[in-house]
Amino acid sequence: GEDVEQSLFLSVREGDSSVINCTYTDSSSTYLYWYKQEPGAGLQLLTYIFSNMDMKQDQRLTVLLNKKDKHLSLRIADTQTGDSAIYFCAEMTGTYKYIFGTGTRLKVLA
Amino acid sequence: GAGVSQSPSNKVTEKGKDVELRCDPISGHTALYWYRQSLGQGLEFLIYFQGNSAPDKSGLPSDRFSAERTGGSVSTLTIQRTQQEDSAVYLCASSLSGGLDGELFFGEGSRLTVL
Repeated sequence: GEDVEQSLFLSVREGDSSVINCTYTDSSSTYLYWYKQEPGAGLQLLTYIFSNMDMKQDQRLTVLLNKKDKHLSLRIADTQTGDSAIYFCAEMTGTYKYIFGTGTRLKVLA
Repeated sequence: GAGVSQSPSNKVTEKGKDVELRCDPISGHTALYWYRQSLGQGLEFLIYFQGNSAPDKSGLPSDRFSAERTGGSVSTLTIQRTQQEDSAVYLCASSLSGGLDGELFFGEGSRLTVL
């Protein structure tokens, strides 16, 4: 069935790198996404990767995709307190249906 | 407006009552989604509207849930005879096209508490 899995919590120190992991199930997914949800707010798109790519870098963000293992990761370099939020991995199945993971709550310690 | 607007932002109701949640998508966005966010459960797909096509209702958890989208714009999610397990944040999102490259723009959600 459709299932996107993430660990629920991650805690890092300010300045360190954060790595948030995700496993997905649909091997035909063409796009995979990372969304960020700050307290009391809706989700905002952070970045996405097309399935024929292995890596995408966008400033402090690096997305790695391992299609064989259906594993996606988001690395945040030099993590700041403002990065504290819930991060959702999502896959697109079919042509419009987004399946979201449970979200990983990132806590950045000063 | 500039973003997706949802109302009410908070709703407390008694078990058995009906509730209506409203979503105003970004103007011009043809695709509209409803998701439910429960603690530790991630986002659960409820329903998808695209233009004038028949909606994909495959995520609605029971026949107490229904949604409509009038004039291709505003959408209302209705929950009849609410139960405590309906307590959650209901998120609406819209997208320009709903296609593979469509970024979802989310509202801030409606937090429903059923006592």
